[in-house]
This record gives sequence, C-alpha cells and structure tokens, in this order.
Amino acid sequence: IAGITQAPTSQILAAGRRMTLRCTQDMRHNAMYWYRQDLGLGLRLIHYSNTAGTTGKGEVPDGYSVSRANTDDFPLTLASAVPSQTSVYFCASSDGTGDGYTFGSGTRLTVV
Amino acid sequence: GQNIDQPTEMTATEGAIVQINCTYQTSGFNGLFWYQQHAGEAPTFLSYNVLDGLEEKGRFSSFLSRSKGYSYLLLKELQMKDSASYLCAVLDSNYQLIWGAGTKLIIKP
Repeated sequence: IAGITQAPTSQILAAGRRMTLRCTQDMRHNAMYWYRQDLGLGLRLIHYSNTAGTTGKGEVPDGYSVSRANTDDFPLTLASAVPSQTSVYFCASSDGTGDGYTFGSGTRLTVV
Repeated sequence: GQNIDQPTEMTATEGAIVQINCTYQTSGFNGLFWYQQHAGEAPTFLSYNVLDGLEEKGRFSSFLSRSKGYSYLLLKELQMKDSASYLCAVLDSNYQLIWGAGTKLIIKP
C-alpha cells in the first residue's frame, strides 16, 4: 500500500441496501476525510476525523456514518442507500501541513 | 456563507499561457490550495499559498492576494497533458478545506 487505498473502485447498489466504502492509509496522517463529488458542485465534505477515536460532520452528512477505530482506517457507511447518493466518493488524509490532502483513487457508486 | 468562485471552463492553445482565477469569501483564512484533477482520477496537489505574492513551481505559478480574496493559477508552455480540471480550495478558520467547483481547462493543438 502506498498512500490511500479505497475499495471498491465502483459499485452498483440497489436502493435500500447497506454499503460500506473502505479507506485505508499508510502515511500515519492524523486527519481523514470523506468527500462526494458531483458534476458542477465540486467536492463536498461528508464526514471527517481529526484523529483516531474522533469524528465530525461535514457539509452533507445525512444518510452517512463513519468510524475511526485506528489511525489507518476510515470506513464510510450508507445505512440505506438512496438514488441521490449516486456519486464519486473520495477519501483523503492530511498531516496538517501545507502539503495539502492526499486523495484515494475514488469509488464510483451508482444507486438504482 | 462560504463561497469559492472560479470559471467553469476555459480553452487555451498548446504552447500558450493561461491564467485561472479564483475568488473566495470564507470564515477565516489559513491558506489556499490548487489541485489538478484529470477526468476519472483523484485530485493531486499543485500549490499552497498562505502569504501574499507569487509562488513559482516549474511551469505552474500561483498568486495570492488576501486583501482582495483572490488567487490565480498560471500555467505556462501549455501541454496537451495539462487538459484537466483545476480546483481552488481555501482552508478556513476551522482548518477545513472549502472547495470551488473547479475549472475545466481544454487545450487545443
């Protein structure tokens, strides 16, 4: 693993199903983030975690939950998927310096 | 509210120079980032400005004026591989990144 790994790469999901998007980093970054990216809207923050054991809500948290049991992993769960959650999801991490965020390669989710 | 504005799309010619502008209104300011995102890929870090002035990094330069809430990304000697979206993002008072919607840059031969 080098950087951030997201899984799956893409998924088609039936509405009402539960789904967990996985995110793992090996850079020992304290802060981690989940974004969704939709055409014309840019990146919108769903949830974040400043350090292991803590999480916070971003701009669009409804319908999503996260956990941060350790430094490396930050899974995002959709409890009951709806079509409006069709999007590209990016996980990112940061060490809090001016080097910015490192992003995973994204998960393309389609809810039908 | 917090707002980041940048043009939706720009077109430029291979070998030329292009300037992508970004204006922002945020609650606090702890730095401004530019990211490059090729279609279907993740954003990648280009530059970070926290003080006023110009930061040069090879063919790319980024400028910041905090008093005007303004930044630009300057790309010189454009290459076809520079065709991508360019995202402006501001780190606010809570150290959260606020993102613009991105500028799609199309390079023509």
